[in-house]
Amino acid sequence: TQLLEQSPQFLSIQEGENLTVYCNSSSVFSSLQWYRQEPGEGPVLLVTVVTGGEVKKLKRLTFQFGDARKDSSLHITAAQPGDTGLYLCARVGNMLTFGGGTRLMVKP
Amino acid sequence: GAVVSQHPSWVICKSGTSVKIECRSLDFQATTMFWYRQFPKQSLMLMATSNEGSKATYEQGVEKDKFLINHASLTLSTLTVTSAHPEDSSFYICSAAILGHKNIQYFGAGTRLSVL
Repeated sequence: TQLLEQSPQFLSIQEGENLTVYCNSSSVFSSLQWYRQEPGEGPVLLVTVVTGGEVKKLKRLTFQFGDARKDSSLHITAAQPGDTGLYLCARVGNMLTFGGGTRLMVKP
Repeated sequence: GAVVSQHPSWVICKSGTSVKIECRSLDFQATTMFWYRQFPKQSLMLMATSNEGSKATYEQGVEKDKFLINHASLTLSTLTVTSAHPEDSSFYICSAAILGHKNIQYFGAGTRLSVL
């Protein structure tokens, strides 16, 4: 089983702080996706990373794909309450395999 | 972007009854649809993959006779939870993919099932 481990599982921070969440696997990703899911909603795709070492930015969110394509990180700068949600990484293959998720709460 | 509509968004039913959940792709043809289950504070677990016009492929541990999936058209897949029990209470989410693009899945908003 190609497990995806996300850390931390839970994170509670104050508005304005920075944070990083991680997604790790023992095997190589062909490509990886990050999603955000709000309570009572389906996940929404944030980004797809394909190339080792790739960095993508989406406003205050920075996504990095490890050189060996076994890990990825999501960094949020100056977090806002609207960033609250469940962040999921997913291995892309014949199907999506989701990590356990990081539940983020940003307090005003 | 592509829109996937899921209905109902919330359903409460008595134990032993069956519940049908619909997943529609509104502005594209979805040759493949996926059904996921998500328990509180947990991640999404794939239940089955549904291809239009053929039988669904179920993941290990998912009872195909309990979770009936029909994908009769390119825009509609249904999941029927038969003889629901309280342990079936969960958040069910569908997604849809276009032919040749299984890597790009568009998710519905989910259906919260509560079995009393």
